[in-house]
Amino acid sequence: QVQLVESGGGVVQPGGSLRLSCAASGFTFSSYGMHWVRQAPGKGLEWVAFIRYDGSNKYYADSVKGRFTISRDNSKNTLYLQMNSLRAEDTAVYYCAKDRLAYSIELRPSFDPWGQGTLVTVSS
Amino acid sequence: QSALTQPASVSGSPGQSITISCTGTSSDVGGYNYVSWYQQHPGKAPKLMIYDVSNRPSGVSNRFSGSKSGNTASLTISGLQAEDEADYYCSSYTSSSTSVVFGGGTKLTVL
Repeated sequence: QVQLVESGGGVVQPGGSLRLSCAASGFTFSSYGMHWVRQAPGKGLEWVAFIRYDGSNKYYADSVKGRFTISRDNSKNTLYLQMNSLRAEDTAVYYCAKDRLAYSIELRPSFDPWGQGTLVTVSS
Repeated sequence: QSALTQPASVSGSPGQSITISCTGTSSDVGGYNYVSWYQQHPGKAPKLMIYDVSNRPSGVSNRFSGSKSGNTASLTISGLQAEDEADYYCSSYTSSSTSVVFGGGTKLTVL
């Protein structure tokens, strides 16, 4: 079955960097766009970034543009999120999620399934 | 402040039907048929319940249905069950920033 496993979360100081990974299995990773979505403690969901199945197009939320970079390695079935210049308001559980449709070239909010999430805490 | 507006909470008794609204603008909900709904139980990852306004993924109960009128999308759950108690989020593509926006979430309580 489809499985997404995030890792790389932890505690980091404001201004620091962190790289999250999402290991995918159970489907043809190179055929699907992938997303990162975050959820601050006790708060709602916030979409963070999307990368097309072939890595050719990337989209970001305004709140992370210029600080975060989404990437993928289709040979390793792995999605990444490089987070720089971290702020307290970036503290959240970060989920990776698979696009529902294969080879989608449009940015659509149909994420299925989601990983279990990894917690990032930005604090001094 | 969330880009899409949902009621903070709704409630219903077992067997009843409830509807959760999700209001946006012509740049998101009203302009595209790219509205999805997610269910999230405490401490769990969200689960896709409805996509493209009214389509159910395989395995999702037909008690869940979606619709849209103008700038407002709706999720209806019929025959409420205790297991439906969860948080529900709507989401939509938005052309204003070429991104995806979520609603603030609605807590469903089954009385």
